[in-house]
Amino acid sequence: AQRVTQPEKLLSVFKGAPVELKCNYSYSGSPELFWYVQYSRQRLQLLLRHISRESIKGFTADLNKGETSFHLKKPFAQEEDSAMYYCALLYNTDKLIFGTGTRLQVFP
Amino acid sequence: NAGVTQTPKFQVLKTGQSMTLQCAQDMNHEYMSWYRQDPGMGLRLIHYSVGAGITDQGEVPNGYNVSRSTTEDFPLRLLSAAPSQTSVYFCASSYSRAGVTDTQYFGPGTRLTVL
Repeated sequence: AQRVTQPEKLLSVFKGAPVELKCNYSYSGSPELFWYVQYSRQRLQLLLRHISRESIKGFTADLNKGETSFHLKKPFAQEEDSAMYYCALLYNTDKLIFGTGTRLQVFP
Repeated sequence: NAGVTQTPKFQVLKTGQSMTLQCAQDMNHEYMSWYRQDPGMGLRLIHYSVGAGITDQGEVPNGYNVSRSTTEDFPLRLLSAAPSQTSVYFCASSYSRAGVTDTQYFGPGTRLTVL
């Protein structure tokens, strides 16, 4: 069965430090993966999708099929990056399954 | 554009009561979906629709009904509310299925408590 695992509930770093939010998936088909972000008092919004191979707000994520991972990375964290981050997997062409989320806290 | 709107924002029900959570979008999106968010569990898909007249079940459909009579609206019905349905409910919409090639927009959520 398909599954998305985000092993860290909370990740705390200082401003300027590198950030890596972990995401592992289990899926028998070809994976389509996403990162969503929810800032305080804002709606959940798409951050990036692996198919676009884009960098948004300095964040990147690379799909590693061998390790079944899609970790989110940023070389230098900013205080405004503090938010809840969710990894999501598309399965059966039209359904999303989300991980349990990681709260990122960036201290000044 | 109002985007994705949900009403009500908050609701308290007694066990056994029924109610409808409203969701509307003004972006002419074909794909709409409902999720519930519980502490420590992330978002789970309840039902979704790929167009008017077409609906299908997600991960946790039991106790919920949906219909899609228009492109704009996708209401979620609780037939007989149970305490296990206490949650925050999010509606979302996109042009493509689950936003695979565009952006899936989420509503502000409805916080439901069942006593």
